[in-house]
Amino acid sequence: SYEVTQPLSVSVALGQTASIICGGNNIAIKNVHWYQQKPGLAPVLVIYRRTYRPAGIPERFSGSNSGNTATLTINGAQAGDEADYYCQVWDINTGAVFGGGTTLTVL
Amino acid sequence: QVQLQQSGPGLVRPSQTLSLTCAISGDSVSNTSVGWNWIRQSPSGGLEWLGRTTYGSKWYHNYAESVKSRLTINPDTSKNRFSLLLNSVVPEDTAVYFCARDVGGYYYFDSWGQGSLVAVSS
Repeated sequence: SYEVTQPLSVSVALGQTASIICGGNNIAIKNVHWYQQKPGLAPVLVIYRRTYRPAGIPERFSGSNSGNTATLTINGAQAGDEADYYCQVWDINTGAVFGGGTTLTVL
Repeated sequence: QVQLQQSGPGLVRPSQTLSLTCAISGDSVSNTSVGWNWIRQSPSGGLEWLGRTTYGSKWYHNYAESVKSRLTINPDTSKNRFSLLLNSVVPEDTAVYFCARDVGGYYYFDSWGQGSLVAVSS
């Protein structure tokens, strides 16, 4: 079955750039999606199909894929961006596969 | 705008059946371009996809291997909703359960229910 891995935590200074990675075998060929989840709330889609932003998601959120790594980048991180972030792919054998989640701290 | 409203009990006894319902507004459970999913989040925090139903001339279902023998997802066209039935529950099934819509073909979840905390305990 396909697996994706994420670091447990990432810290970023206010206003700086945060990068959250998602590792998987040849993940570059997969559609990777990213979700933001704040405490007590349902996840919110922030990036889909590697690079697309849903309506209402700020432009400072962007995504990229290369080789065995997908990356969610947050330019000019704000205090309100503190949350857990999950990557997700679809595997034909396994179904939806989520990473373990990364907690973003804005210092 | 799609809205998903979940309902169901918050406490289930071990060995019993966990039942949740997700009512859909702003879309149809029979929409052939999307799928209707159940996802759960354990107290430790990780998201686990459980299964999906979608309509395309007939109803199709996909279930995660971890729950495949215990899970049924039922669409209800008369009430425009879908349900989760998880039988023979154990304390490890304690989690927040979410329903979610995926965009068919790309399988990303663009609409979510509010979440239902279900505890399995005697």
